[in-house]
Amino acid sequence: GENVEQHPSTLSVQEGDSAVIKCTYSDSASNYFPWYKQELGKRPQLIIDIRSNVGEKKDQRIAVTLNKTAKHFSLHITETQPEDSAVYFCAASKGNAGNMLTFGGGTRLMVKP
Amino acid sequence: EAGVAQSPRYKIIEKRQSVAFWCNPISGHATLYWYQQILGQGPKLLIQFQNNGVVDDSQLPKDRFSAERLKGVDSTLKIQPAKLEDSAVYLCASSLDRTYEQYFGPGTRLTVT
Repeated sequence: GENVEQHPSTLSVQEGDSAVIKCTYSDSASNYFPWYKQELGKRPQLIIDIRSNVGEKKDQRIAVTLNKTAKHFSLHITETQPEDSAVYFCAASKGNAGNMLTFGGGTRLMVKP
Repeated sequence: EAGVAQSPRYKIIEKRQSVAFWCNPISGHATLYWYQQILGQGPKLLIQFQNNGVVDDSQLPKDRFSAERLKGVDSTLKIQPAKLEDSAVYLCASSLDRTYEQYFGPGTRLTVT
């Protein structure tokens, strides 16, 4: 089955700096890669996703890049703010958006004011 | 639109007892998922329903876990008997169909003592 590894497990940055979280996946048939943000005690919320037919996607301060050959994808957050502090999860699936997500282990991002 | 609803939000039981969780997906969503999120880890898919049929339950410990979605709307997840290692947050998610993004409920935090 699919295996998703996520690094780093914790990341501390100063407000205004950029943060990068990286994930690798094992199944070359995976074609959908969402990123979720989970604040303490709250539900995971989708912040951005990318499909295998594109290499990069941006939404304001957030961007995701995908390298299908290397089987890795990354989340980039620019101009970080304290409210970006949370746990971020990457995931992968083979069936477009809705099919059986396999999640990475999570990255705890701390943005220091 | 209303989000995914789950109840109860918290549950404490002793090992070997039984427990049931309830999920009401977003109206019109055909696909429903149950995830187990152990503290400090990413969510792990337990079972996926498409309407009232099971799409995948390969990671559901069937000797103690069961789930149903009889009318293709609400779903229940049951654990009988519970073990200490079942302590986790149980998340329900739904999507319009299998090709659309998943929306998560607030989860039920289960503590088994």
